[in-house]
Amino acid sequence: DGGITQSPKYLFRKEGQNVTLSCEQNLNHDAMYWYRQDPGQGLRLIYYSQIVNDFQKGDIAEGYSVSREKKESFPLTVTSAQKNPTAFYLCASSKNVQAEAFFGQGTRLTVV
Amino acid sequence: GIQVEQSPPDLILQEGANSTLRCNFSDSVNNLQWFHQNPWGQLINLFYIPSGTKQNGRLSATTVATERYSLLYISSSQTTDSGVYFCAVDLTGYALNFGKGTSLLVTP
Repeated sequence: DGGITQSPKYLFRKEGQNVTLSCEQNLNHDAMYWYRQDPGQGLRLIYYSQIVNDFQKGDIAEGYSVSREKKESFPLTVTSAQKNPTAFYLCASSKNVQAEAFFGQGTRLTVV
Repeated sequence: GIQVEQSPPDLILQEGANSTLRCNFSDSVNNLQWFHQNPWGQLINLFYIPSGTKQNGRLSATTVATERYSLLYISSSQTTDSGVYFCAVDLTGYALNFGKGTSLLVTP
């Protein structure tokens, strides 16, 4: 199946721990994105990558880090510096930055 | 700043009714998409429509880029249409900016 796979679907983390969310796509898309969604809100951009080995901060990058070593993969690390990490995280990809974007099923992160 | 405003924020319909959702945006558009977020959180692509009109079954969308708005029409609504509808616009040249959504509830 072609698409975007996020794992895990649910994730629980203790305060002070880093955690990495996985995002893999087999659509041969150059651009990939990470968004955060809080209850009752729209999505906010954390990081984006227009091409492999390159990525840029979005609107709310503080406390997060990413890498883009492979075209197919764009993992997001939520660090202990992120003050309010409990949220729904969505990964997306598109052929290029102006093309139609497609989303994965999301990861719900809860800090306990 | 960059703004994407959706209206109404909430909408309750009886099954079979029609509705129009609106999206206003603050600048010229490279990309505009409508999504439906289902109860499990998945974002379903409805339309990629930076300009013009498209139709897909009971749904249709129109974007008038020169006047900076887009409309999503839902006809003969069904309970399965319930959920949150998002408009997302590429105003920056690198990623989509999302509105806060319209929460739709269709009752039997």
